[in-house]
Amino acid sequence: GIQVEQSPPDLILQEGANSTLRCNFSDSVNNLQWFHQNPWGQLINLFYIPSGTKQNGRLSATTVATERYSLLYISSSQTTDSGVYFCAAMRDSGYSTLTFGKGTMLLVSP
Amino acid sequence: KAGVTQTPRYLIKTRGQQVTLSCSPISGHRSVSWYQQTPGQGLQFLFEYFSETQRNKGNFPGRFSGRQFSNSRSEMNVSTLELGDSALYLCASSLAGLAGVYSYNEQFFGPGTRLTVL
Repeated sequence: GIQVEQSPPDLILQEGANSTLRCNFSDSVNNLQWFHQNPWGQLINLFYIPSGTKQNGRLSATTVATERYSLLYISSSQTTDSGVYFCAAMRDSGYSTLTFGKGTMLLVSP
Repeated sequence: KAGVTQTPRYLIKTRGQQVTLSCSPISGHRSVSWYQQTPGQGLQFLFEYFSETQRNKGNFPGRFSGRQFSNSRSEMNVSTLELGDSALYLCASSLAGLAGVYSYNEQFFGPGTRLTVL
């Protein structure tokens, strides 16, 4: 099946700093999503981005499908951005099966 | 529009028992998928249902089973619980249509059921 790798595994920032999280995937995809897992475990949708660039406030994401990677940018980090960020990809196989990376644990300190 | 709901939110069982978890998808969504999250294995796909049919299954033993009802609500069952089944179980729904025909298949997750097996 498809492999999804995220980097870095851990990231510590000071409030106000910018960061880039990377997601590499091993096969062509028809779905690429970024999630933020809240302290209670729920996966919050950040972006649905199988290709192209999207922005939502301080967050933006870019997926270059031909080179099989996606980037999540967080600008002007806030302490509330802390948590685990997951990238998940779905192969172009006809089934709704997401393969998740291991996540990036982000800690933003005041 | 209401999001994906899961019940119960927390569950404590003992080894050997069985458990049933429930998931109600977003209205209009016909695809429901289940995932298990553990610290050691991360997020792993269990199975996916569409129109009451299991379309895909992950690499889990037969003790894990599921079904989907005509209203798209889904249940998963774990029989003969083991300590290693302790996990957060997440359900996701999407508008995904027939296999091979996708224009938009964003997955939306419920809050999860945290199962503890003692």
